[in-house]
Amino acid sequence: AQSVTQLGSHVSVSEGALVLLRCNYSSSVPPYLFWYVQYPNQGLQLLLKYTSAATLVKGINGFEAEFKKSETSFHLTKPSAHMSDAAEYFCAVADTYGNNRLAFGKGNQVVVIP
Amino acid sequence: KAGVTQTPRYLIKTRGQQVTLSCSPISGHRSVSWYQQTPGQGLQFLFEYFSETQRNKGNFPGRFSGRQFSNSRSEMNVSTLELGDSALYLCASSLTGVSGNTEAFFGQGTRLTVV
Repeated sequence: AQSVTQLGSHVSVSEGALVLLRCNYSSSVPPYLFWYVQYPNQGLQLLLKYTSAATLVKGINGFEAEFKKSETSFHLTKPSAHMSDAAEYFCAVADTYGNNRLAFGKGNQVVVIP
Repeated sequence: KAGVTQTPRYLIKTRGQQVTLSCSPISGHRSVSWYQQTPGQGLQFLFEYFSETQRNKGNFPGRFSGRQFSNSRSEMNVSTLELGDSALYLCASSLTGVSGNTEAFFGQGTRLTVV
C-alpha cells in the first residue's frame, strides 16, 4: 500500500525565510502526490498536485514542489515565508490504479516567527 | 460554485449513542469520501462512495457506516459511540475519484466530541 512520511511535526521559520517541508513516498506504482494545507478549525485546501506531467509543480500562495523519483521525494518549498503561512501542511499520495483513497502523512505544523 | 458542505459543524454525544453526519458534495461530483482526523492517528480514510455504491473501505470497525443518495449527498453513521471516536470528520468530494485529472475538495468538517 502506498504511504508518505513527513518528518518533524513542528517547523519554525522566520518571516521572509525559506519554507521547506519534506515528504517521502512509498508506492509500488506511479503515484499521484498532493500537498494540502489546513488552517485552524478548517478543512483541507489543495496547494498543489503531481500527476506526472511535470516534475516541478507550482501551486497556490507561492508554494511549489519537486518530484524526484530517484529520491522518492516530493518536498514543498516557498522562497519567503509570510505570517499567513502559519498552518498545518499534509502530504498525501494516491495510487494510479484509482482506488480513490488518499494516504496522508502526519503533517507539519508551521510556525512563522516575525 | 458552492463548496463541500458538512453538517453539523460541532456535535457532542454520549458514549453508547449513535450519530449521523451529513455531507453535500460540490454540484456534479459523484464521488464522496470520508476521513477521520485525530491528533494521535492523523488523517485516516474511512470509505468512499460513488454513484450510491461503496467503492472503497478503510480499516475501521463495522460501527462506522455510510451511504450515498441519488443526488450524491452522503451520510456517515457511527453506532455505539466510544470516547476514541472523538475526532474531526472530513468529507471530500471529487468528480469521479482521486486521479491525475481530478482532485478531492474537502469540507470544513464535523467536530464530534464523545463524553
